[in-house]
Amino acid sequence: DTAVSQTPKYLVTQMGNDKSIKCEQNLGHDTMYWYKQDSKKFLKIMFSYNNKELIINETVPNRFSPKSPDKAHLNLHINSLELGDSAVYFCASSQMRGLDGAGPYAEAFFGQGTRLTVV
Amino acid sequence: QKEVEQNSGPLSVPEGAIASLNCTYSDRGSQSFFWYRQYSGKSPELIMFIYSNGDKEDGRFTAQLNKASQYVSLLIRDSQPSDSATYLCAVNSPFSGGYNKLIFGAGTRLAVHP
Repeated sequence: DTAVSQTPKYLVTQMGNDKSIKCEQNLGHDTMYWYKQDSKKFLKIMFSYNNKELIINETVPNRFSPKSPDKAHLNLHINSLELGDSAVYFCASSQMRGLDGAGPYAEAFFGQGTRLTVV
Repeated sequence: QKEVEQNSGPLSVPEGAIASLNCTYSDRGSQSFFWYRQYSGKSPELIMFIYSNGDKEDGRFTAQLNKASQYVSLLIRDSQPSDSATYLCAVNSPFSGGYNKLIFGAGTRLAVHP
């Protein structure tokens, strides 16, 4: 019973192509994210949606376009793929909550990742 | 200055020893802090979170937080070879609209040798 699932797991494509990665979560969370993990293992946030509304859009080329049809789904479409786009893309979800008055916290739960290779 | 900093390692410890992983963060408004473990080729999985100054223990793991020094650490007691992984420190960073974003450090690679 996968909590956050993304497809495909592997994606090999040529430069210039357009590709999509899909993500679904069954945790009932309000917030979903896309992270990019490069070859140095640095996990960098790209986008975040809260209840289908875009709330985070980091400095990402506009060739990357997220779409959230509902709060359980967040897809990532990439146009005109470049060699530098090769990385592992992780989808994640979280639910903001307070804890004993200490302020909001929200741990993220990750999908299994999509390894994108652009050749 | 990076928002969340970690020593990339590798940190090599013998089996049974205590592994100490450190993290500093720049946003004083951050209120919650997380440690994730990532095995090679796998996705990050949450080990612990902490939001109050002091120590929080869970089994062999202890998270320590010092907000004044903007410092978070993770201690792993009785380290096992199965603990060999990359440990990612993550910080909830608030921004406008009452939202938070989870910012990760670059991770510390831990190697536990028999």
